[in-house]
Amino acid sequence: EPEVTQTPSHQVTQMGQEVILRCVPISNHLYFYWYRQILGQKVEFLVSFYNNEISEKSEIFDDQFSVERPDGSNFTLKIRSTKLEDSAMYFCASSRQPYGYTFGSGTRLTVV
Amino acid sequence: TQLLEQSPQFLSIQEGENLTVYCNSSSVFSSLQWYRQEPGEGPVLLVTVVTGGEVKKLKRLTFQFGDARKDSSLHITAAQTGDTGLYLCAGPGTYGGSQGNLIFGKGTKLSVKP
Repeated sequence: EPEVTQTPSHQVTQMGQEVILRCVPISNHLYFYWYRQILGQKVEFLVSFYNNEISEKSEIFDDQFSVERPDGSNFTLKIRSTKLEDSAMYFCASSRQPYGYTFGSGTRLTVV
Repeated sequence: TQLLEQSPQFLSIQEGENLTVYCNSSSVFSSLQWYRQEPGEGPVLLVTVVTGGEVKKLKRLTFQFGDARKDSSLHITAAQTGDTGLYLCAGPGTYGGSQGNLIFGKGTKLSVKP
């Protein structure tokens, strides 16, 4: 069964540092997403990406966040200057059409 | 603001029992999805319901979409320990487009004891 692969599985970073979370979506999928889940809270939408550009983003996805699909296979989420409140599980997802998601296993980001 | 409220928040039952969990909203959704999430893993899609009144079955799991498309239920027959997990409902959100973003409920944490 095809999988969405996320690396690293855990990342600890100092406040103010930049982090890049990496995802390899399923190869024939066209829509790509990042979500986050703060411990004990809801899964929250961050951004969707289609046709090499951001198609939708939430109010959480401010100027500190950016996404890239640098080489046709990877899909990255960059947080420029991490804050304590950025600590969460970050999930990448992909789909062939809107809503038919496959999620990755997530990256647990801890900002200290 | 679209919200999905799930109940109960926690459910602990014995193996073999039946259970129903609920997902409710004051908003109409074009579709709803149910996911199951294990600790430390991403949500796994179980089913998508699209038509008001629709019933879908996945082995011992029965999913229903309300006639008004504002609510959904998940019924598990003869629960097994392998059904333990967090059950999430999700529906299309709106951030100005229709490119697939979802809003999620907080989930029902199910524990099935042997």
